[in-house]
Amino acid sequence: NAGVMQNPRHLVRRRGQEARLRCSPMKGHSHVYWYRQLPEEGLKFMVYLQKENIIDESGMPKERFSAEFPKEGPSILRIQQVVRGDSAAYFCASSPRTGANEQFFGPGTRLTVL
Amino acid sequence: AQSVTQLGSHVSVSEGALVLLRCNYSSSVPPYLFWYVQYPNQGLQLLLKYTSAATLVKGINGFEAEFKKSETSFHLTKPSAHMSDAAEYFCAVSDDTGNQFYFGTGTSLTVIP
Repeated sequence: NAGVMQNPRHLVRRRGQEARLRCSPMKGHSHVYWYRQLPEEGLKFMVYLQKENIIDESGMPKERFSAEFPKEGPSILRIQQVVRGDSAAYFCASSPRTGANEQFFGPGTRLTVL
Repeated sequence: AQSVTQLGSHVSVSEGALVLLRCNYSSSVPPYLFWYVQYPNQGLQLLLKYTSAATLVKGINGFEAEFKKSETSFHLTKPSAHMSDAAEYFCAVSDDTGNQFYFGTGTSLTVIP
């Protein structure tokens, strides 16, 4: 029973490039959450998605960041025109239903912007 | 609004000694509280969860935490530290929808042989 999968585990981009982070939730889970962890800080909520719907994006930066969770395939967090401040670990979590009060985390994608 | 505060960003204990990691919460509703552990270059693993049942919650790897409403605390303890306990520990509280989690800044635990 595979857990939450994220790829790539490490991603290096130059300033101005695009970064695409993928997350496959646990089997049977249809709710996905993205968090960002800056160095020496805790995780900060970014966005909560269900299949084909964004439920809460209150933690997403207004520009350059977007997320989707299509009917088929993984959830994608997309960062356009990356800047050095985007360097962080991005974690995805999944849960089986809304309001579940349980989230299972993936191993994270560590983004480095040169 | 929900938030958690973890006192002490770094804690060092000797192997075999008591581990105490502090967490205080602020919540406008009865909270769900969590402790997660993060090993280097890995994701977060749930240690334990408080869901308004018993105030003393037992988790994995010998850890437990006690919910104290009067002190708005949810401190994590383990009677005897093991070298394998060295990791980053995060306290978290969920919002009233149960969907958004708020994390503390983490406590890095070092175990000295």
